[in-house]
Amino acid sequence: EAAVTQSPRNKVTVTGGNVTLSCRQTNSHNYMYWYRQDTGHGLRLIHYSYGAGNLQIGDVPDGYKATRTTQEDFFLLLELASPSQTSLYFCASSDAPGAQDTQYFGPGTRLLVL
Amino acid sequence: GDQVEQSPSALSLHEGTSSALRCNFTTTTRSVQWFRQNSRGSLINLFYLASGTKENGRLKSAFDSKELYSTLHIRDAQLEDSGTYFCAAENSAGNKLTFGIGTRVLVRP
Repeated sequence: EAAVTQSPRNKVTVTGGNVTLSCRQTNSHNYMYWYRQDTGHGLRLIHYSYGAGNLQIGDVPDGYKATRTTQEDFFLLLELASPSQTSLYFCASSDAPGAQDTQYFGPGTRLLVL
Repeated sequence: GDQVEQSPSALSLHEGTSSALRCNFTTTTRSVQWFRQNSRGSLINLFYLASGTKENGRLKSAFDSKELYSTLHIRDAQLEDSGTYFCAAENSAGNKLTFGIGTRVLVRP
């Protein structure tokens, strides 16, 4: 079974702060995703990647950058954090493209922007 | 999301009883995935369906792509079945999942 880890698990920052969320998967999946979860919205896709060096824009990308440095590692960057980005962030990976196979999720990162 | 409508929004069950959750899709959906989120926030994939039905223990899911819906049945509910259940639909391009807003399930003794 895929192992997806995220760090940090909890993060507090101030408005305008710079935050990097990290995700690593150890099951050799090519496809990785960043989601945010907010009450009343379910999970929404921020960015995703098909492999090292690849980046695709999701459904709610504004205010976020992402980088896929290796097959294992996918980072989400908030360069000027705002209170509206307070959320629970999930990383996921899958073996097949997009939604065509089971997605495996990390444990989540809770971000609070003051 | 607008593409995926889940019902009910909340469900309370007594141990040993059974019930069903439903997702309706407003656009063509190639596949559906069901997830359960526990009280700590962890998301577990329960099913991936491109058609038909799948069963895993006391859980059973069905997907009808023509009628644009999917169901998740919980049989003989146990306390550990409590959590929020999400369905997610594959878009027509096959590159994204769109999630519903979830059904909160509480199983009581």
